[in-house]
Amino acid sequence: AQKITQTQPGMFVQEKEAVTLDCTYDTSDQSYGLFWYKQPSSGEMIFLIYQGSYDEQNATEGRYSLNFQKARKSANLVISASQLGDSAMYFCAMRVGSLYNQGGKLIFGQGTELSVKP
Amino acid sequence: EAGVAQSPRYKIIEKRQSVAFWCNPISGHATLYWYQQILGQGPKLLIQFQNNGVVDDSQLPKDRFSAERLKGVDSTLKIQPAKLEDSAVYLCASSGRGGAYNSPLHFGNGTRLTVT
Repeated sequence: AQKITQTQPGMFVQEKEAVTLDCTYDTSDQSYGLFWYKQPSSGEMIFLIYQGSYDEQNATEGRYSLNFQKARKSANLVISASQLGDSAMYFCAMRVGSLYNQGGKLIFGQGTELSVKP
Repeated sequence: EAGVAQSPRYKIIEKRQSVAFWCNPISGHATLYWYQQILGQGPKLLIQFQNNGVVDDSQLPKDRFSAERLKGVDSTLKIQPAKLEDSAVYLCASSGRGGAYNSPLHFGNGTRLTVT
């Protein structure tokens, strides 16, 4: 079965500090993508970063980086230099399937609520 | 490019009433998804369309929920009759490369449904 696990319901971080949000996944597929989304209190889901199962380098997007450890099946999100606007729910998600697979839905974890303190 | 559009933004209904949500995906996106997000949980897929055909509706409560995607563009999700446990945010998303695992989903702002 395909599953995403986020074990931290809530996290606190001091402004300007770095924070790591944990994510582990389970799949028997060889081809899969791992995504992180941010959901502020307003409700929209904002795509942050993507890591492919065949990517050898960890993905980075500005202050976001993904610490991908394939053998451990983990895909942790690192946010550097936290800002007050980073306070939100963060979801780890996985998508499996080939380029031509129409069944590639996104499976989400339970989320981690991040609070940035001034 | 314009994002995924959803309406209404909020809806309050009484149990046993019916409700419909509308979604317009990003232009050219062939794959459309409806997710249900109950407070405090991650989104759960209800139904996935590829053009105007259903790819996955295994978690759609078909006795009360229905969805259609006419002409492979706009989509509507309907609940009839609503139950208290249907209170949730309903998110529409679209993707430009079908089920490709390396393509992100783009989400609309969602419809927050409250059933009283």
